[in-house]
Amino acid sequence: DIQMTQSPSSLSASVGDRVTITCRASQTITSYLNWYQQAPGKAPKLLIYAASNLQSGVPSRFSGSGSGTDFTLTISSLQPEDFATYYCQQSYTTPLTFGQGTRLEIK
Amino acid sequence: VQLLESGGGLVQPGGSLRLSCAASGFPFSNYALGWVRQAPGKGLEWVSSIHASGSTTYYTESVQGRFTISRDNSKNTLYLHMNSLRAEDTALYYCARNRIQDDCFDFWGRGTLVTFSS
Repeated sequence: DIQMTQSPSSLSASVGDRVTITCRASQTITSYLNWYQQAPGKAPKLLIYAASNLQSGVPSRFSGSGSGTDFTLTISSLQPEDFATYYCQQSYTTPLTFGQGTRLEIK
Repeated sequence: VQLLESGGGLVQPGGSLRLSCAASGFPFSNYALGWVRQAPGKGLEWVSSIHASGSTTYYTESVQGRFTISRDNSKNTLYLHMNSLRAEDTALYYCARNRIQDDCFDFWGRGTLVTFSS
């Protein structure tokens, strides 16, 4: 199975900060990498697909980059509604696997 | 797009449940679908996926042979038949639409909870 490792596991930041979350795959997944946001008590929401493509309706302050084994999700200027947990997910092969999550908290 | 899960509940180890996911707002028979679960306070775990036609299915190893994913395209409904349930199957089970061309889950339901009685 492909292991997905996110860092950091938790992060404290302030409104207006620029934040970067990293996701590393245990083997190459080319660009088969998706990012999801999960607000407390809510279902996950797709943010970025195929490593760098912004899902329709998602604010442009979210961006993704990377290929191969190393990927990043960047939020350019944090807004109050961005405080949530973020997950990466590889869709290169089954079993599909998720990272352990990065909890983004208000400082 | 709407995905509405149902069928969760309290079960005993070794028991069975059938989860359902009623879909609306999109051409159901054109999309692959999947189940993703989340144990209390834990992360997301993919469980199973099914192609649009229902002809091909995939499972994570821990549920292979115990769970069966299926769909009824005439009823716009996805199912997860769960047998030989274990305490570690306790989770919120989400139904999600799989956008095959981009290999991502682009819409998710709110989930249905499966819990165990002691």
